[in-house]
Amino acid sequence: EIVLTQSPGTLSLSPGERATLSCRASHTITSNYFAWYQQKPGQAPRLLIYGVSRRATGIPDRFRGSGSGANLTLTISRLEAGDFAVYYCQQYDFAPYTFGQGTKLEIK
Amino acid sequence: QVQLVQSGPEMRKPGASVKVSCQASGYSFSAHYLHWVRQAPGQGLEWMGWINPSSGGTKYAQKFQGRVSLTRDTSISTAYMEVTRLGSDDTALYYCARDGSPWSAYPAGMDVWGQGTTVTVSS
Repeated sequence: EIVLTQSPGTLSLSPGERATLSCRASHTITSNYFAWYQQKPGQAPRLLIYGVSRRATGIPDRFRGSGSGANLTLTISRLEAGDFAVYYCQQYDFAPYTFGQGTKLEIK
Repeated sequence: QVQLVQSGPEMRKPGASVKVSCQASGYSFSAHYLHWVRQAPGQGLEWMGWINPSSGGTKYAQKFQGRVSLTRDTSISTAYMEVTRLGSDDTALYYCARDGSPWSAYPAGMDVWGQGTTVTVSS
């Protein structure tokens, strides 16, 4: 099983700042079956990024996915009030399609 | 519009079974795998398995093998997840989610999610 470890666990930033969220895999992921999701309280997860760096429909270009191998990154530039949520990374190349434990992005 | 609508909350006693439905609309049901993901209270996301609605083929996380069954009824564009031998640690919000790529042909993530079904297991 591929274990995904996200860091930091909690990130405290102010609107307008840049957020950098990391996801490290226990095994190198050679494919690009990798995604990021945003989840707000009481809501289902929302797909942000798939294929490592492709933005899902309707996702603004402030959200950028990057990385390769065992280290993936989600960067959110110019944070807005609606961006404060929990973010999960996921690999869907090898079953079980594991998620990271999440990074909570909170308002400073 | 494309949506997945799940059945309502369920309460079961330990040892019982539960079956949750997920009805798709707005797209070709048979063309997209459906995943099931659960989230225990205050916890993260856990992938359980997927079903290919076209063939009925399935893949399960080993943790759930033998205790979870994914099925579908293409005539009503509905997928089902049944969990047997429920324990208190199965108390969670269960989601169905569509694979964004037809026949999972390329990486597209889970692009449409149901609203979730709360399953509570308590004596």
